Amino acid sequence: DVKVTQSSRYLVKRTGEKVFLECVQDMDHENMFWYRQDPGLGLRLIYFSYDVKMKEKGDIPEGYSVSREKKERFSLILESASTNQTSMYLCASNSVGVEQYFGPGTRLTVT
Amino acid sequence: RKEVEQDPGPFNVPEGATVAFNCTYSNSASQSFFWYRQDCRKEPKLLMSVYSSGNEDGRFTAQLNRASQYISLLIRDSKLSDSATYLCVVNNQAGTALIFGKGTTLSVSS
Repeated sequence: DVKVTQSSRYLVKRTGEKVFLECVQDMDHENMFWYRQDPGLGLRLIYFSYDVKMKEKGDIPEGYSVSREKKERFSLILESASTNQTSMYLCASNSVGVEQYFGPGTRLTVT
Repeated sequence: RKEVEQDPGPFNVPEGATVAFNCTYSNSASQSFFWYRQDCRKEPKLLMSVYSSGNEDGRFTAQLNRASQYISLLIRDSKLSDSATYLCVVNNQAGTALIFGKGTTLSVSS
């Protein structure tokens, strides 16, 4: 069974804090993705990575950065959290051309 | 035209009903098509891939019309457990990522 795990299910941070969201997959997938999901806006792609140390901007990269030092791990970083980054964050992985598997999500609240 | 468009619903149907969702996509070069299901407060999970010739999985039938750039999902004999949001998904122009529609919400009642 493919497993994508995320470091936290719920997270509360203060405005201005640096936030790290971690994602690990155990299927040796080349591609990893970070999305945020908000009511009425659907899933929006923040960043993705198709190889170690490679990254590509998605549709809404502003205010975020990512790191992929190992194939199985993809981190999303909020350099200085703001209230408009309160959201559900979903990590996913896949091999080229096949379905994406999602982690359970991290519900981040920035106060 | 948005990349992937779906009617958000909600679709409210009684048990046993047949319900159809449609989705349109803008990239004529898209090669991969899927329907995902997302339960409330859960992550999206693959329901089924969509193939050019159409495909069926039990009560679910998916169709692809490349000429009109639309995808459909038909659910027959709806069950209470089918209540969820259904996401239409296609690959992006570069083929490197998937683009998700905003989803169609289905509520099946007894």
